[in-house]
Amino acid sequence: GESVGLHLPTLSVQEGDNSIINCAYSNSASDYFIWYKQESGKGPQFIIDIRSNMDKRQGQRVTVLLNKTVKHLSLQIAATQPGDSAVYFCAERAGNQFYFGTGTSLTVIP
Amino acid sequence: GAGVSQSPRYKVAKRGQDVALRCDPISGHVSLFWYQQALGQGPEFLTYFQNEAQLDKSGLPSDRFFAERPEGSVSTLKIQRTQQEDSAVYLCASSLPRGVVYFGQGTRLTVV
Repeated sequence: GESVGLHLPTLSVQEGDNSIINCAYSNSASDYFIWYKQESGKGPQFIIDIRSNMDKRQGQRVTVLLNKTVKHLSLQIAATQPGDSAVYFCAERAGNQFYFGTGTSLTVIP
Repeated sequence: GAGVSQSPRYKVAKRGQDVALRCDPISGHVSLFWYQQALGQGPEFLTYFQNEAQLDKSGLPSDRFFAERPEGSVSTLKIQRTQQEDSAVYLCASSLPRGVVYFGQGTRLTVV
């Protein structure tokens, strides 16, 4: 399958700080990317998406940046809260499939 | 429905048993996906439906795995003669054509 990898398997941040989670993808033909949050015992929850014709997209407290030149995706979470503690996955669409990386575990320290 | 619904949430099967996992996608979603997620890993693609047509089953690990969606809505993932390595969370997801993919809560299968 395709390779979607995350640079940091774990990330700890202080409550109130900003978090940045990175993701590398390998398929230059991928045209759509989604960030998911997964809490223990639950399914992946959609956070934000971005299409390949965009470089940046903002949501509520979250921003996704896409650098197609180096095939890199990042998720920025502003003013990180304890409820943000979870595993975060990026996923890329190639054809009919979405490929996921291993995930980054984010821990927010109160 | 309000979201993707999967049942059962938990399933314990003895090795060699057959299991059937059910997925009710979001109403109107033509695309349906099945994923397998091992502990500590990201979801791994199993198969994809567009309406009732199974367009991609390249991720099914063996011929013991079979999925169907006969009326283009509810889908069932069947695993025959379960083995311990089949223990995982099975996730179902649905979407509008090329839209956001929404996941269910998953079925945790434990083979003993």
